[in-house]
Amino acid sequence: EVQLVESGGGLVRPGGSLRLSCAASGFTFSSHWMSWVRQAPGKGLEWVANIKPDGSQRDHVDSVKGRFTVSRDNAKNSLFLQMDSLRAEDTAVYYCARTGTYRGLDYWGQGTLLTVSS
Amino acid sequence: DIQMTQSPSAVSASVGDRVTITCRASQGINNWLAWYQQKPGKAPKLLISAASSLESGVPSRFSGSGSGTDFTLTISSLQPEDSATYYCQQANFSPDTFGQGTKLEI
Repeated sequence: EVQLVESGGGLVRPGGSLRLSCAASGFTFSSHWMSWVRQAPGKGLEWVANIKPDGSQRDHVDSVKGRFTVSRDNAKNSLFLQMDSLRAEDTAVYYCARTGTYRGLDYWGQGTLLTVSS
Repeated sequence: DIQMTQSPSAVSASVGDRVTITCRASQGINNWLAWYQQKPGKAPKLLISAASSLESGVPSRFSGSGSGTDFTLTISSLQPEDSATYYCQQANFSPDTFGQGTKLEI
């Protein structure tokens, strides 16, 4: 059974940093693109970042470029999102998701809530 | 970035009705279009990928069609459990982008 379990969310002050983790199991992690998607309270979905199976290629949405970095550890079946210089507008539930055969995000974690507030 | 525009933003329908949600991309996306269903407090669930490929386990009353810039999600006979918000997503150009969502009330 495919499982994605996020952790690391919490309350952070503006300008602070946090690292989200996503533990994957039940599939060959090193064979799949992985993504982070966020959802601000009461709002829609926003794609944040993704990373190639071998980690050699990654991309981020413009609003987080230079502040967030996606990475992965295939030996530990784990995906990460390092978030620096956090802003109030980064407050959201952050989901990790697996990219499937036809580029849809076919498995999602339960999400972890990040709140940026003073 | 590619803009994805969904319509309507909200729709109310009855059990057994047929409902269509549309998604328009600001430029052609080579059919790399996915549809998701999200219920309150839950993660999104992938329904359809590559515009018309139904995911395993998704009821056959859901279908997707379209090409180029215009796509539709159709639910042929609404069930009470279909009450949710539906999102489209393009995965042809980086960054991936989502539509703003369509809230379906049964």
